[in-house]
Amino acid sequence: SQQGEEDPQALSIQEGENATMNCSYKTSINNLQWYRQNSGRGLVHLILIRSNEREKHSGRLRVTLDTSKKSSSLLITASRAADTASYFCATDGPMDTGRRALTFGSGTRLQVQP
Amino acid sequence: DGGITQSPKYLFRKEGQNVTLSCEQNLNHDAMYWYRQDPGQGLRLIYYSQIVNDFQKGDIAEGYSVSREKKESFPLTVTSAQKNPTAFYLCASTRGAVRNQPQHFGDGTRLSIL
Repeated sequence: SQQGEEDPQALSIQEGENATMNCSYKTSINNLQWYRQNSGRGLVHLILIRSNEREKHSGRLRVTLDTSKKSSSLLITASRAADTASYFCATDGPMDTGRRALTFGSGTRLQVQP
Repeated sequence: DGGITQSPKYLFRKEGQNVTLSCEQNLNHDAMYWYRQDPGQGLRLIYYSQIVNDFQKGDIAEGYSVSREKKESFPLTVTSAQKNPTAFYLCASTRGAVRNQPQHFGDGTRLSIL
């Protein structure tokens, strides 16, 4: 089942601009994670936000979580060409099953033009 | 440096052939995971293992098999029963068999049919 859905599917911006990606999910969660994937490579963990947190920062990254709307956003400020990658959200729900694994969304492909 | 090593990087399968993808980690992580990624898509869970000699089916286990005889190794066999095996396969691990830990990924194996 597809727990997380990212929006937009693709985003193209100029260097220096901010990039915002959104993730919606369907079931209750304990935490939500964001990952980055460069083309042809594995995923790299960016940030984890717990269900009792509303906002979290890490360098140029800002993540928000709204559990009432079942949505999260990832903001990359002052983007660089090196930020070009696909970004995925992942949730640990649904919580009422024995599943002990994350569920990943379909990703947002970010292109930062130099 | 600690990490996850997947091999080979590229693999070709003939009709009716089983192939095995290797995944080794030296992070002393308890849990390991296999995902399948199709072009432009997110990750889908094939199998995961929380401890040695134990594993669970994910969302798309049909046509795949795994073993977990050692903590550091979690090989995936793509059997001839998997009729559409062409994809990018990613292995990951986490410290502790819990869903609130970041996953560490290898750099993937790209499997194609000859």
